[in-house]
Amino acid sequence: NAGVTQTPKFRILKIGQSMTLQCTQDMNHNYMYWYRQDPGMGLKLIYYSVGAGITDKGEVPNGYNVSRSTTEDFPLRLELAAPSQTSVYFCASSYPVRGPSYEQYFGPGTRLTVT
Amino acid sequence: RKEVEQDPGPFNVPEGATVAFNCTYSNSASQSFFWYRQDCRKEPKLLMSVYSSGNEDGRFTAQLNRASQYISLLIRDSKLSDSATYLCVVRGGATNKLIFGTGTLLAVQP
Repeated sequence: NAGVTQTPKFRILKIGQSMTLQCTQDMNHNYMYWYRQDPGMGLKLIYYSVGAGITDKGEVPNGYNVSRSTTEDFPLRLELAAPSQTSVYFCASSYPVRGPSYEQYFGPGTRLTVT
Repeated sequence: RKEVEQDPGPFNVPEGATVAFNCTYSNSASQSFFWYRQDCRKEPKLLMSVYSSGNEDGRFTAQLNRASQYISLLIRDSKLSDSATYLCVVRGGATNKLIFGTGTLLAVQP
């Protein structure tokens, strides 16, 4: 049981480049989330999904896109990378609100630098 | 005003000390409350949920005061391994969305 896995672990992008951050969970969780964490700051929600085919914006969605074609995968797409997107990105998953637990399980993170 | 506010610290304490962290939240409709722990350059992990009646897990005690919109975490007999950032987290709404505080850094010294 790997939990939540993310790839890549590190990436350096040039301004204007695009990339996809991969996230996969094997816990059969319906809910999945993408957060970013800037130095000395709390986690900010970018996008979330309550099930395959359903996504919605979080607090800071601009510059990002997501899709959820399967229960397991929730990729995050960065189009036209900007220095302001330099951050650590965490993917998480959980049961639904009325499920057995409110706990969100986090992946190990992707450290992204845009220069 | 931030939705979840914490003292950023750092709290530097000797081994064996008792240390308390506080947190306030702004949304009175918030439904669930948690403390997450985040080690340096690692992902957050749930430490404990916080209930109105207060709850204890070994050396850790969490308290919630809904009237004052205040959450606390007490760590007794601090260990070196307790060194980490402690995130106060509040859930509101039907989608299990969590609002994170910026975290309080604890450094336990030998």
